[in-house]
Amino acid sequence: ILNVEQSPQSLHVQEGDSTNFTCSFPSSNFYALHWYRWETAKSPEALFVMTLNGDEKKKGRISATLNTKEGYSYLYIKGSQPEDSATYLCAFNTGANSKLTFGKGITLSVRP
Amino acid sequence: DAGITQSPRYKITETGRQVTLMCHQTWSHSYMFWYRQDLGHGLRLIYYSAAADITDKGEVPDGYVVSRSKTENFPLTLESATRSQTSVYFCASSRQGDNSPLHFGNGTRLTVT
Repeated sequence: ILNVEQSPQSLHVQEGDSTNFTCSFPSSNFYALHWYRWETAKSPEALFVMTLNGDEKKKGRISATLNTKEGYSYLYIKGSQPEDSATYLCAFNTGANSKLTFGKGITLSVRP
Repeated sequence: DAGITQSPRYKITETGRQVTLMCHQTWSHSYMFWYRQDLGHGLRLIYYSAAADITDKGEVPDGYVVSRSKTENFPLTLESATRSQTSVYFCASSRQGDNSPLHFGNGTRLTVT
C-alpha cells in the first residue's frame, strides 16, 4: 500500500493570507500526482494533474509545483479568500491505470 | 444532464442485508471507480474498472462485489452488509488510463444498523 502524506492536517488563516500545503509520496515508480479541491457537501473536483519533475501549474490564485525526485508537491494559494475554504486532497499513482492513492487531505478555513 | 450520478443519496439498511449502490456516467469514460470515505482515512479505493467486463480490486475490496456489463454503469453491491461498511461511498470516472483527472459523483451515505 502506497503512503501519501499531507501536511498540515488543517489550517486556519485570515482572508488575504497566502498558504501552502505539502503532499509527500514515494519517489519510486512515479506516474502522476493529482490535486483535488473538496468543498463541504460537494464532491471532489480536480485542480491539477502533474506528471513531470519540475512541473508548475496555475489556476487563478492557486498554483502547484512538483518534485518527483524527492517525492513532494506543494500547493499554494495566494491571497486566500473565504471561498477557498475546503479540503484539499492530493493523490498519487504509479501507472497508467488511473488507480489513485489519496492522502487524508488538508482542511483550510479562511476567516473573513 | 451529462455527468456522473449516484443513487441513492442516502440509504439505511440492516446488518446482513444486501444493498446495491448505483453509479451512472454519460461521458463514455473507460475507467470507473468506487471509493469509500471514513473519518481519519483518505478516500480508499474499493474496486475499479478499466472497461466494460473488466474489474479489479482496490485497497479495501472485502465484502463488496462490482459488475460492469455496460460502460456507463458501475454498481457496487454489499452482499451482506456489516456495520463497518457504514460510510460515504463515492463513484468516479476518468477518460482513460493516462493522466486524466477523476470526476466524482455526489456520494451515497450508507448507514448499516
